[in-house]
Amino acid sequence: SAVISQKPSRDICQRGTSLTIQCQVDSQVTMMFWYRQQPGQSLTLIATANQGSEATYESGFVIDKFPISRPNLTFSTLTVSNLSPEDSSIYLCSVEGSSGTEAFFGQGTRLTVV
Amino acid sequence: AQRVTQPEKLLSVFKGAPVELKCNYSYSGSPELFWYVQYSRQRLQLLLRHISRESIKGFTADLNKGETSFHLKKPFAQEEDSAMYYCALSVRSNYQLIWGAGTKLIIKP
Repeated sequence: SAVISQKPSRDICQRGTSLTIQCQVDSQVTMMFWYRQQPGQSLTLIATANQGSEATYESGFVIDKFPISRPNLTFSTLTVSNLSPEDSSIYLCSVEGSSGTEAFFGQGTRLTVV
Repeated sequence: AQRVTQPEKLLSVFKGAPVELKCNYSYSGSPELFWYVQYSRQRLQLLLRHISRESIKGFTADLNKGETSFHLKKPFAQEEDSAMYYCALSVRSNYQLIWGAGTKLIIKP
């Protein structure tokens, strides 16, 4: 299993500002995933982050809005830029397990944009 | 196209009654399916996977390739089973998980 520490757990931000979310894993992992989970809805994959390469973004998500860093095999950040109320959501960090398929999740970051 | 469908957004049953949360998938390859659970104020966590063929907290799920289903079942629901349940399909080519919309399970006392 993997233990993931994600922070902040919640934040209230002004529109037009940015929020950077950090994800720290207690073991080295190849793939890290960033999701958005809007209230009462399923998980939407934002991007996949591999160490040493550019993140791969899903349709509807762009690097300018959601820049991701992956400096090493245990850490990643997701920045949500130029915030608008529509960005209010829960953001989740996830890593794959040793089998390569099971996923482990951080506690999530609840973002409210005012 | 790869897809996971959970037709029920909300399922409410009485304590002690049987529970079945439905999950259907669409995938051309050999599927690997999971059920994840999110209890109130807790992180999303794996409940069970079809490969393990195990029972976790009294829940079981059988992969039916003919019906492309992976329904989650428990014979006698308990109040602590109240949670959000997600069915997910592993796409091995890129390690991504395809998620269903989730079913909120409420167990009434």
